[in-house]
Amino acid sequence: GESVGLHLPTLSVQEGDNSIINCAYSNSASDYFIWYKQESGKGPQFIIDIRSNMDKRQGQRVTVLLNKTVKHLSLQIAATQPGDSAVYFCAEKLGGGGNKLTFGTGTQLKVEL
Amino acid sequence: NAGVTQTPKFRILKIGQSMTLQCTQDMNHNYMYWYRQDPGMGLKLIYYSVGAGITDKGEVPNGYNVSRSTTEDFPLRLELAAPSQTSVYFCASSSRDRGDGYTFGSGTRLTVV
Repeated sequence: GESVGLHLPTLSVQEGDNSIINCAYSNSASDYFIWYKQESGKGPQFIIDIRSNMDKRQGQRVTVLLNKTVKHLSLQIAATQPGDSAVYFCAEKLGGGGNKLTFGTGTQLKVEL
Repeated sequence: NAGVTQTPKFRILKIGQSMTLQCTQDMNHNYMYWYRQDPGMGLKLIYYSVGAGITDKGEVPNGYNVSRSTTEDFPLRLELAAPSQTSVYFCASSSRDRGDGYTFGSGTRLTVV
């Protein structure tokens, strides 16, 4: 969900460990969800997506889990690497036309060597 | 393909000045969007367009205007700049009714003093 203030939630992990980033979404009618990665000074990049008729989807080193009952989304990154350090956003697709997305506040992932 | 190109990358405006943020895409995407990103916050939708000649307001349209005279270009106009418009602005485009079609530009960092 939304948070106020200037400081992003931060997750610090050791290199090689698994990371879990969580997101609470707002609209129970949303049927499509995406995780984006944003490195410093760059625009967001697509990581993985999932439709509401699925509970889990796996990509390369990443897994997204969807719990519609509690409106919760999580991103799991296996064997976290220094290059994974970034801000991660979840996004949900709004209803209506135009393919509009609502973005979460984001989580800063820091990978420690 | 260049993808989504935004200019300028950085700009400092004085209160009350006006400017246009440029955005162009070469992927023949129908949908285009403008988002703003404040420190520690998620992206907020300003305006979007589903095709040439069609624009619509997003979540935070006040103080901005857009036009879409061609498929490629989607400029964002700031009239009478205010300190509250200090932000990073991202343009994005999409060609399908799925979020994985979102391609983001690298952003414009705007400071209003």
